[in-house]
Amino acid sequence: EVQLLESGGGLVQPGGSLRLSCAASGFTFSNYAMSWVRQAPGKGLKWVSSIGGRGGDRYYADSVKGRFTISGDNSKNTLYLQMNSLRVEDTAVYYCAKHYSSSPNNWFDPWGQGTLVTVSS
Amino acid sequence: ETVMTQSPATLSVSPGERATLSCRASQSVNSNLAWYQQKPGQAPRLLIYGASTRATGIPARFSGSGSGTEFTLTISRLQSEDFALYYCQQYNDWWTFGQGTKVEIK
Repeated sequence: EVQLLESGGGLVQPGGSLRLSCAASGFTFSNYAMSWVRQAPGKGLKWVSSIGGRGGDRYYADSVKGRFTISGDNSKNTLYLQMNSLRVEDTAVYYCAKHYSSSPNNWFDPWGQGTLVTVSS
Repeated sequence: ETVMTQSPATLSVSPGERATLSCRASQSVNSNLAWYQQKPGQAPRLLIYGASTRATGIPARFSGSGSGTEFTLTISRLQSEDFALYYCQQYNDWWTFGQGTKVEIK
């Protein structure tokens, strides 16, 4: 069974940094694209960033480009999202999600349970 | 950016009835469209991909149709566990979601 478990969320001040982790199991992590999607409190879903499998390309939403970095550690089967220069508007539940193939040009399935990031002074 | 617009925002339906949810893309996304269900406090769950293919384990009462810019998710004979938020998402041109349709009990 594919499982994704996020961690690393918490309260951080504006301008601060945080690194989210997503521990994956039940599949060969290196072979699949992965993504981060966020959901602000009471709001809808917004794609944040994706990374292709097998050392593939990285993609970022304009709102986080230059501030966030997505990466993966195949030896630890873990996806990361390094978030720097955090803003109040980055406050959200962050979900990691697996793609159908090594390319991220498809749907998200499954999703992790999410980790809450709160940016506030 | 491809903008996805869902309608209605809220759909009030009685258990056992049919629910029809719409999703419109600002430009063609071919059949590169997925539907997700989200319940309070839970992560989204994939229902449909490729506009009309049910994901593994999804009951047959869920069906998707459409291509290009107009898509529909139909839930026949609504059950209590189907009252939730539903999102469409395109993956033809990066990744964007609709704003969601809440299916509530009438």
